[in-house]
Amino acid sequence: QQQVKQSPQSLIVQKGGIPIINCAYENTAFDYFPWYQQFPGKGPALLIAIRPDVSEKKEGRFTISFNKSAKQFSLHIMDSQPGDSATYFCAAIPFSGSARQLTFGSGTQLTVLP
Amino acid sequence: NAGVMQNPRHLVRRRGQEARLRCSPMKGHSHVYWYRQLPEEGLKFMVYLQKENIIDESGMPKERFSAEFPKEGPSILRIQQVVRGDSAAYFCASSTVNTEAFFGQGTRLTVV
Repeated sequence: QQQVKQSPQSLIVQKGGIPIINCAYENTAFDYFPWYQQFPGKGPALLIAIRPDVSEKKEGRFTISFNKSAKQFSLHIMDSQPGDSATYFCAAIPFSGSARQLTFGSGTQLTVLP
Repeated sequence: NAGVMQNPRHLVRRRGQEARLRCSPMKGHSHVYWYRQLPEEGLKFMVYLQKENIIDESGMPKERFSAEFPKEGPSILRIQQVVRGDSAAYFCASSTVNTEAFFGQGTRLTVV
């Protein structure tokens, strides 16, 4: 069954902390791993994405670490700010798919305290 | 350049009524996807459409749900005879072929 498991369900950090959100998958056909950020009342917005041929990708304060052998990937937010408080979803897409094949994790509600 | 537009933003229906959710894709996007988000859960894929064609409806419930994307006008997700379990946020996304998809702000359906 295509599934992406995400943890933790919620996370609270102080400003400047480094929250880490973890995801694991089983389907080896997954070939593209995006992360989405969602604010209350808004749609998900693409934050950063990675393919399994690299082990790490950085964009600003956001970093994805990818472990292909373990079929795990994680999002790190450096120097977190209260404005980062949102729900974060990991997702996965199979090689042959476009967005129609997005399989989402269950989400992590992040709170960054001032 | 307007983003993906969904309307209405909020929709309240009584059990047994019909719900129609509309999605206008971004300009130049011919691929539309619908996702459903239940409270405290992630988004679940429902259906993928191109103009006048349903490409993949593997995530659509077999009964009461239908979707279309006509040659002219927005994509419509239709839910007949709504039940309380249909209460959710419904998101539409659009893309060009094999590019990133952009999501709309969603329609929050409440069935009372």
